[in-house]
Amino acid sequence: DGGITQSPKYLFRKEGQNVTLSCEQNLNHDAMYWYRQDPGQGLRLIYYSQIVNDFQKGDIAEGYSVSREKKESFPLTVTSAQKNPTAFYLCASSIRTGRFHEQYFGPGTRLTVT
Amino acid sequence: AQSVSQHNHHVILSEAASLELGCNYSYGGTVNLFWYVQYPGQHLQLLLKYFSGDPLVKGIKGFEAEFIKSKFSFNLRKPSVQWSDTAEYFCASPPGETGGYQKVTFGTGTKLQVIP
Repeated sequence: DGGITQSPKYLFRKEGQNVTLSCEQNLNHDAMYWYRQDPGQGLRLIYYSQIVNDFQKGDIAEGYSVSREKKESFPLTVTSAQKNPTAFYLCASSIRTGRFHEQYFGPGTRLTVT
Repeated sequence: AQSVSQHNHHVILSEAASLELGCNYSYGGTVNLFWYVQYPGQHLQLLLKYFSGDPLVKGIKGFEAEFIKSKFSFNLRKPSVQWSDTAEYFCASPPGETGGYQKVTFGTGTKLQVIP
């Protein structure tokens, strides 16, 4: 089955520790995205990548870092600099539909930092 | 830049009631809009999309949305909801050439609760 895998589903960390969230896709999509979902705030774009070895900051990139060494993988690191890291994180990839890109989402990782 | 807003944060309906969820967009050139749905414990999935042409768009599971340019709206509708429609619904402006990837925006979401 083609799709997007995020692991783990739940993640717990102590404050001050960096943590890396995994995102893998086997859809052969070029573009990948990371969003953060908070209650009442919808989805906010953290980082996106259009091709391998290239990525761009989204609206709330501070305290996060990414890499895109392989087409299939787009891991997100939540650093200790992120002031409010507890959230639900969604990874997505997209395929071109005409002039626009239709996004497919993973199941998400819920990160809790105490 | 195009942005979207949803004003209903939580809607509670009885089964068989009609549904209309509001989505307004700010003008930013070419208008392209999506509705996504997130069922409890499941992936966010595309419900329907509007790029151009017929302003009445049909989606999956009996949903439809109407693009009304004069009102800057793209409201989601369903004539008769079922308990299985309980979910969170997001209006979004998709990434693409004209908007650029960084312009993708989601509304704050509307939680729909359908009571049997």
